[in-house]
Amino acid sequence: EDQVTQSPEALRLQEGESSSLNCSYTVSGLRGLFWYRQDPGKGPEFLFTLYSAGEEKEKERLKATLTKKESFLHITAPKPEDSATYLCAVQAGTNAGKSTFGDGTTLTVKP
Amino acid sequence: DTGVSQNPRHKITKRGQNVTFRCDPISEHNRLYWYRQTLGQGPEFLTYFQNEAQLEKSRLLSDRFSAERPKGSFSTLEIQRTEQGDSAMYLCATAVETGELFFGEGSRLTVL
Repeated sequence: EDQVTQSPEALRLQEGESSSLNCSYTVSGLRGLFWYRQDPGKGPEFLFTLYSAGEEKEKERLKATLTKKESFLHITAPKPEDSATYLCAVQAGTNAGKSTFGDGTTLTVKP
Repeated sequence: DTGVSQNPRHKITKRGQNVTFRCDPISEHNRLYWYRQTLGQGPEFLTYFQNEAQLEKSRLLSDRFSAERPKGSFSTLEIQRTEQGDSAMYLCATAVETGELFFGEGSRLTVL
């Protein structure tokens, strides 16, 4: 069964203090690894898709990377508006339907 | 607004009552998913439709839960004989073949 583990559960940063979030996964034939951002009381918002080891994607202060066993979401010089829960999900090649999600990392950026 | 729309946004019900949630998808998306999320947890897969066909249903989903997607358009999720453990956010998402999900704002259920 596909499994996704995210760490840390919570991360508190000062504005401008860069850091990384981790997503470890076990899946039978990775079709895609996805990062989402979720604000309180709202549905997750899609950020990135990564398909193969070595791939990287960037958007503003966020950069996602992928290896064969884990993905990292690097946050460079974060701002308070980056505060949110960041979710990682995997989709198996054998099952093009569902995505399996981790429990997320809640990021708080203090001004 | 061309995003995924869910109604109602909030539902409070008494244990034993039936509830129904509706999801109106992005029109070009043929894949529709229902997820459930509780506080501090990631979304948990419930069921998946491609057009009007229900292709997968979670083994964890009790027979009190049923979902439909008539004519491959909007979808409904019904929970019969609600229990307190059903209290959660019910999320609808749609997708195309590339797999990324586009979520609605969710329907929050509170069972008293």
